Amino acid sequence: GENVEQHPSTLSVQEGDSAVIKCTYSDSASNYFPWYKQELGKRPQLIIDIRSNVGEKKDQRIAVTLNKTAKHFSLHITETQPEDSAVYFCAASNSGYALNFGKGTSLLVTP
Amino acid sequence: GAVVSQHPSRVICKSGTSVKIECRSLDFQATTMFWYRQFPKQSLMLMATSNEGSKATYEQGVEKDKFLINHASLTLSTLTVTSAHPEDSSFYICSPELYGGEQYFGPGTRLTVT
Repeated sequence: GENVEQHPSTLSVQEGDSAVIKCTYSDSASNYFPWYKQELGKRPQLIIDIRSNVGEKKDQRIAVTLNKTAKHFSLHITETQPEDSAVYFCAASNSGYALNFGKGTSLLVTP
Repeated sequence: GAVVSQHPSRVICKSGTSVKIECRSLDFQATTMFWYRQFPKQSLMLMATSNEGSKATYEQGVEKDKFLINHASLTLSTLTVTSAHPEDSSFYICSPELYGGEQYFGPGTRLTVT
């Protein structure tokens, strides 16, 4: 089955700096790669996703890149703000199947 | 996105009792529903996949007789934790599958078994 590795497990940045979280996956059949943000006690919220036919996608301060050959994808947050502090999860799936999640990255943005 | 509701949001029950969690898709019809479990400070783990009108498929290590899933309609799926024990205390989240594999999560149910 699919195995998703996520790094780092914790990340601390200063407000205004960029944050990068990286994930690798094992199943070459995976074609959908979402990123979720989860605040304490709440459900994961989809913040951005990318499909295997696209190499990069951007939405304001958030971007995701995908390297299918190397089987890795990354989340980039620019101009970080304290409200970006949360746990971020990457995931991978083959459309129609359940998501396989990374272990999460706890991001702390300090003022 | 998709509107998904879950009920109850929090439940405390005594060891040995059963708890039913309802998941409703409010603005679309969900043929497939995924149920996840999340222990504190851990990632989401898939428990089972249910398809409307058929039996659920459980992940390895998840007891199908303990976690009963019913997906009787395209807008409602239920998870019943039978004979709950303290180790079943967790955050249970449903997620209907949308077109193209997108998944949005219900608000979750925090179960505490005393």
